[in-house]
Amino acid sequence: DTTVKQNPRYKLARVGKPVNLICSQTMNHDTMYWYQKKPNQAPKLLLFYYDKILNREADTFEKFQSSRPNNSFCSLYIGSAGLEYSAMYLCASSAGTGSGNTLYFGEGSRLIVV
Amino acid sequence: GDSVTQTEGLVTLTEGLPVMLNCTYQTIYSNPFLFWYVQHLNESPRLLLKSFTDNKRTEHQGFHATLHKSSSSFHLQKSSAQLSDSALYYCALSSNNRIFFGDGTQLVVKP
Repeated sequence: DTTVKQNPRYKLARVGKPVNLICSQTMNHDTMYWYQKKPNQAPKLLLFYYDKILNREADTFEKFQSSRPNNSFCSLYIGSAGLEYSAMYLCASSAGTGSGNTLYFGEGSRLIVV
Repeated sequence: GDSVTQTEGLVTLTEGLPVMLNCTYQTIYSNPFLFWYVQHLNESPRLLLKSFTDNKRTEHQGFHATLHKSSSSFHLQKSSAQLSDSALYYCALSSNNRIFFGDGTQLVVKP
């Protein structure tokens, strides 16, 4: 089973309100990633967990938080949503962080901020 | 910093014609891994093929690509397009435990 599941699939949020997106995988992968995808743009890496170690990208460091309570689950938290957060959020997992590891993606969580 | 460039946003061609999607990359690391991911409508991206070895052709499901470090390129090719090849194709680069994607090329194959 190579399934990565994301919840919710769709989220409508008000400006200034928090948003929490959930991802789970059953492949016992030690690395989980969150990407932000906007139309006609490349998926942008926000952060990733290798085991319990969180790595956040420098330019999104303060905008997104994450937790990984166990190997299977990873969340993405936005404390105060702004209009610019409207996007598709893709979760992915891989076995390790070695350069050649394949990413397995979930179906995405579409966030619309109004 | 690391980056991936896909010059074509949209490629439209007729079934049976050859496919070539361009990908070039920039990285300070001498041994990058390059990938092609494909995303069909209403599906999540999945790996199509990947390569680490310079000048070695990699093939999968009729597609092939060769990593050329001298030109920092990893173009995706197929000899004969099929209708089912219509999808969004991402070139990606792995370096320093991070994977960076290009903007993607939408391939539309018409009868």
